[in-house]
Order: sequence, then structure tokens, then C-alpha cells
Amino acid sequence: QLQLQESGPGLVKPSETLSLTCSVSGGSISDSSYYWGWIRQPPGKGLEWIGHIYYSGSAYYNPSLKSRVTISTDTSKNQFSLELTSVTAADTAVYYCARPMANVYDTWGHGTMISVAS
Amino acid sequence: SYKLTQPPSVSVSPGQTASITCAGDDLGDKFAAWYQQKPGQSPVVVIYQDYKRPSGIPERFSGSNSGNTATLTISGTQAMDEADYYCQAWDTNTVVFGGGTKLTV
Repeated sequence: QLQLQESGPGLVKPSETLSLTCSVSGGSISDSSYYWGWIRQPPGKGLEWIGHIYYSGSAYYNPSLKSRVTISTDTSKNQFSLELTSVTAADTAVYYCARPMANVYDTWGHGTMISVAS
Repeated sequence: SYKLTQPPSVSVSPGQTASITCAGDDLGDKFAAWYQQKPGQSPVVVIYQDYKRPSGIPERFSGSNSGNTATLTISGTQAMDEADYYCQAWDTNTVVFGGGTKLTV
């Protein structure tokens, strides 16, 4: 059974870069069938799609975040990562990694809370 | 960019039918999905590709999508169905979520 687990710093200072990793178990990130994605949810607010990456390396991003976001894969570790630059308080959120299949995110991690504060 | 609009809240009495709408330009030409999220939990898909139910999702959950509106219908709503519900669609290579609807039972 596919499982995803996010890991990250918990607290990031304003203007710095947020880096998160999603560890994949029960499946291979190199599987040609899938994208691997990131979604976030600010406290008390709705879901916001950040982006996803295809096994081939092609990545697609939310236009509103595109200038600050990079998603990458590490096949040797069976992980994929998110980098978000120049963070502000508005980037405070629970960050989820998730896998879409058949146009829907059918597998999610538990999420990791990231706070942006000095 | 593409936008999906949901009502902020819907109320329903136990045993009655709840309908949650999701509006977007030509949404009927795309596949719509619906997620249920309870406090402190990750979202769970309840409907995908407009009307399909994943295994383990009760039959009381159903979906439709036509024109500019997708609809999630919960028949015989139970107290355990009280949650936030989000619609989602793919627009070219990007994904869009609706703003979410709080269902109160």
C-alpha cells in the first residue's frame, strides 16, 4: 500500500527558503504512471494546489506560485521535494504531499505544519 | 486562471439529502472530483471522474457534472458526514480546488 510522509523544518524565517521532502513507501517514484504533488492549506482556509512533477521530470506549478516554487525528485531515495523561496507569513500552512491518479489525488500524506515567523 | 466556486456552507437535517455545487466555466468538459476533510485529517476522495466512488465510500455519496456545474449529492445524510467538502478539476496540466463547503448536519 502506497504511503507518503512529509518532513520539514516546522519553522521558517521570513524571506528564507522553505524546503520539504516527501518520502514514498510501497511504490516507486520512478513509476511511469504517476505524478507526485504538493498541496497546502493555510490555517482555517481551503486547499491550494502548489504543483506536481511527472516521473520524467516535467513539472507544473500553480501560476500564482510559479516564480517561487521548484519541485524535484530523488529516485535514489524514492523521495520528491518542494522548495518555496522568499517565504512570508502568507506561506504559513499545512503542507501535504499527494499522488494523483485518474485526475484525482487518491493518496495523501498526513501533512506537516510550516510556520513562517521570525 | 481557472476558478471553481462553491457555497461556503450547506446545512442538512439527518436523513435528508445534501447537495453541494461547484461552478466553473465549462466544468462539464473536465473531470470533477470531490474530497471530504474532517478536522485535523487529510482530505479523502469521495467522488472522482464526475461520478465514480472509490472503494470504501458509501453508496449515499454520488456525483454529477454537466455544463458549468458539478454536484456532490449525499443521500440519507448522517452525522458522520459533517465535514468540509472540496471540489477539484484539472485544467490542462494544472489542478484547481474549489474554496470548500462546510456541511453541517
